[in-house]
Order: sequence, then structure tokens, then C-alpha cells
Amino acid sequence: AQSVAQPEDQVNVAEGNPLTVKCTYSVSGNPYLFWYVQYPNRGLQFLLKYITGDNLVKGSYGFEAEFNKSQTSFHLKKPSALVSDSALYFCAVRVVLTGGGNKLTFGTGTQLKVEL
Amino acid sequence: DAGITQSPRHKVTETGTPVTLRCHQTENHRYMYWYRQDPGHGLRLIHYSYGVKDTDKGEVSDGYSVSRSKTEDFLLTLESATSSQTSVYFCASCPGTRSSYNEQFFGPGTRLTVL
Repeated sequence: AQSVAQPEDQVNVAEGNPLTVKCTYSVSGNPYLFWYVQYPNRGLQFLLKYITGDNLVKGSYGFEAEFNKSQTSFHLKKPSALVSDSALYFCAVRVVLTGGGNKLTFGTGTQLKVEL
Repeated sequence: DAGITQSPRHKVTETGTPVTLRCHQTENHRYMYWYRQDPGHGLRLIHYSYGVKDTDKGEVSDGYSVSRSKTEDFLLTLESATSSQTSVYFCASCPGTRSSYNEQFFGPGTRLTVL
């Protein structure tokens, strides 16, 4: 089964420091991977996706993610964290459905807390 | 969130009562989804739709039914609500074909409490 794992429930980082939110995947075939962010009392917002090509994917709000096939990882990164980046982050993998279409299978989420 | 709305945003109901949640999208997306979000589980797919009147089950479909009579509307019904269905429910939509790599767009969520 296609799945993703987020090994950290929470990540704390000081403002201005680089941040990394970890995600590993388990898929058969080529992985199609996504990162979403959820602010309090809001829906999920798309940050970026990896389909194919360059292993470093750039997304919204200065975030980027590095796809590593040998380590089956897709870690989310930002060079300099902001307090406003504090939110819940989800990694997801696209799964093709037998009935037609596709769905996303999500990790359990990582709460990012950026402190002054 | 701009193109997808959910109603109601909050609802408290009692065990055994029927509940219907509505999702409305203005993006003319073909695919629509209902997820539930629970601590420690992330988001889990309840049902999805790949066109008008075309729906299928997700991984946690027991106790839920859906209907899609128009492209823009996707309804989720709890026939007889139980406390285990207390959750935050998210609707999402996605354009494209079966093999597309498009991201999904999410609504703001509905917080449902079953007493």
C-alpha cells in the first residue's frame, strides 16, 4: 500500500533558523508527493509537489522540498523560519483509485512551532 | 479555499440523528472528496466522486453516504450519527483526469460534535 510517514509530531525552531519537516514514503512505482499546510481553523493549503524531474522542488511562502529516492524521503525545508510559519504540516502521496481518479494518502501531520 | 465552501461550519447533534454536510465548489472540478481529520490519523478519505452521480468508497466509509447530483455540490450524510463520528470534516476538489497530478483544493472544514 502507498503510504507516507511523518516521524515527528512536533518540530520547534527559532525564528531565522533553517527548518526541516521530515517525510518518508513507501510506494510501488513512481511516487507523486505533496506537502500541505494547515493554519488553525482553516482548511489545508497546497505548498508544493514532486512529480518528476529536479529533486529540489520550490513552493509557496519560501518553502522547498528535497526528493531523495535512495532514502525514500521528501523533507520540507525553509532556509529561514518565520513565526508565521507556525502551523500543522502534512505530507501526502497520490494513490490511483480502482474506481477512477486518485486520492491523497496523508501522513499524521507535524506541528511546527517557530519561536522568537 | 476561495472556490470551495462547506456548510455548516459547526454542528452539534445527538446520537442517532441524521446529519448532512454540504460542499459547494465553483471551480468546475470533476473530482470531489470527503475526508475526516482526527488527531493521530491525519486526514482519511471517506468517499469520493469522479463525476455527477459517480461516487465510490474511501477507507473509512462505514456509516456515511454521499450524493452528487450537480458538478458543484457534494453532500455527505451520516444516516444515524454516532459519537465516533465526532470529527472535523473536509471537502476537497480536483480538476483533471484519472492520471492527472493536480493538487487537491480544500474547503474550510466542518466541525461536527455528536453527543
